[in-house]
Amino acid sequence: DTGVSQNPRHKITKRGQNVTFRCDPISEHNRLYWYRQTLGQGPEFLTYFQNEAQLEKSRLLSDRFSAERPKGSFSTLEIQRTEQGDSAMYLCASRPESTDTQYFGPGTRLTVL
Amino acid sequence: SQQGEEDPQALSIQEGENATMNCSYKTSINNLQWYRQNSGRGLVHLILIRSNEREKHSGRLRVTLDTSKKSSSLLITASRAADTASYFCATDASYGKLTFGQGTILTVHP
Repeated sequence: DTGVSQNPRHKITKRGQNVTFRCDPISEHNRLYWYRQTLGQGPEFLTYFQNEAQLEKSRLLSDRFSAERPKGSFSTLEIQRTEQGDSAMYLCASRPESTDTQYFGPGTRLTVL
Repeated sequence: SQQGEEDPQALSIQEGENATMNCSYKTSINNLQWYRQNSGRGLVHLILIRSNEREKHSGRLRVTLDTSKKSSSLLITASRAADTASYFCATDASYGKLTFGQGTILTVHP
């Protein structure tokens, strides 16, 4: 257990539904990252927050995806109008200013039927 | 998109043997990190090597970095069945945005 928690751990939804995932980073970590991992592949960067500011979004993050980090604490990732291609593991990671090491949560596995 | 390639894609060894995994990348980096992932779980950080370092050790792990060849290797010595996992290299070119390879699946047989 790295201290980063994600909820829910698993989500099954029907195509077209909206889903929201939550990430609680380690409390003193001001940097937070979201990644997506499909089967047999390494994680791919989605977006990055420094405190509450979203500083970069990948081209992978279509208009259906939105992420927030109110007050620089927990973060949410919402996917609207889910598609079968959104099925993946969504990973959150955090780190403090003082180190380059990222601490990953256990992930949320999304299955879109 | 993936940063580069990891080699081999899969490695099967006996307990007690050494395991070597290689990683190549394409762009300039600040540091390179290795992570382990057990089936269906989150990633665990193993070791980080900065662009101005050539070799680093941590317990049974040894990592090398050759920035001229844009490659790195991870050596696990005296492997154990508990080392069975997927291993990923990840490059950090700026502000911690990690770009991962496709990973090496390591199986250690007792």
